[in-house]
Amino acid sequence: KAGVTQTPRYLIKTRGQQVTLSCSPISGHRSVSWYQQTPGQGLQFLFEYFSETQRNKGNFPGRFSGRQFSNSRSEMNVSTLELGDSALYLCASSLSGQNYEQYFGPGTRLTVT
Amino acid sequence: GQQLNQSPQSMFIQEGEDVSMNCTSSSIFNTWLWYKQEPGEGPVLLIALYKAGELTSNGRLTAQFGITRKDSFLNISASIPSDVGIYFCAGEGTLNYGGSQGNLIFGKGTKLSVKP
Repeated sequence: KAGVTQTPRYLIKTRGQQVTLSCSPISGHRSVSWYQQTPGQGLQFLFEYFSETQRNKGNFPGRFSGRQFSNSRSEMNVSTLELGDSALYLCASSLSGQNYEQYFGPGTRLTVT
Repeated sequence: GQQLNQSPQSMFIQEGEDVSMNCTSSSIFNTWLWYKQEPGEGPVLLIALYKAGELTSNGRLTAQFGITRKDSFLNISASIPSDVGIYFCAGEGTLNYGGSQGNLIFGKGTKLSVKP
């Protein structure tokens, strides 16, 4: 069974631009969560989608948004990029509404210059 | 909010040695998980624990869910060079009444270096 895939793997953007990251969960998994990983803050929860609905949201500004499609694939968008948004963005999928046993993708490394 | 304190921050050990790391919190957790992350990759799930007092093994790895539900530890026996990486504990966040908060909270990680 294929794992979680994320595209692109690397991205360089300029301050003020916006970016869209994509995540395809493990086949059959309906819950997708997004995390931001930085050396200083570690892994921080952004939001979680289940059946195309955002069920939980972390403590991030409204510039961070996401959505989930009917095939469970998910995208996250960051608008008006800031230097501090440079991070590894990780997507994780799980089988059902319970969020334990999350399986992570390789991440998208975003650099904002 | 809930926080996980993971220790030690880093470890330098000799191949063949046993390793122990732990995670503590002032809050209770319903589930504890342990992940390993290698450079350029996402975290990989190693062990999941669901009941207080539960002891679970995965090869040379053993993890326990603390009886108070506020801590967990991970042991690695007879370490080998491929054990190198960052180990994270994670807990399923709980609300005040004990219900699931619906997201994972991660510790800051323990960086393991193994000298051949």
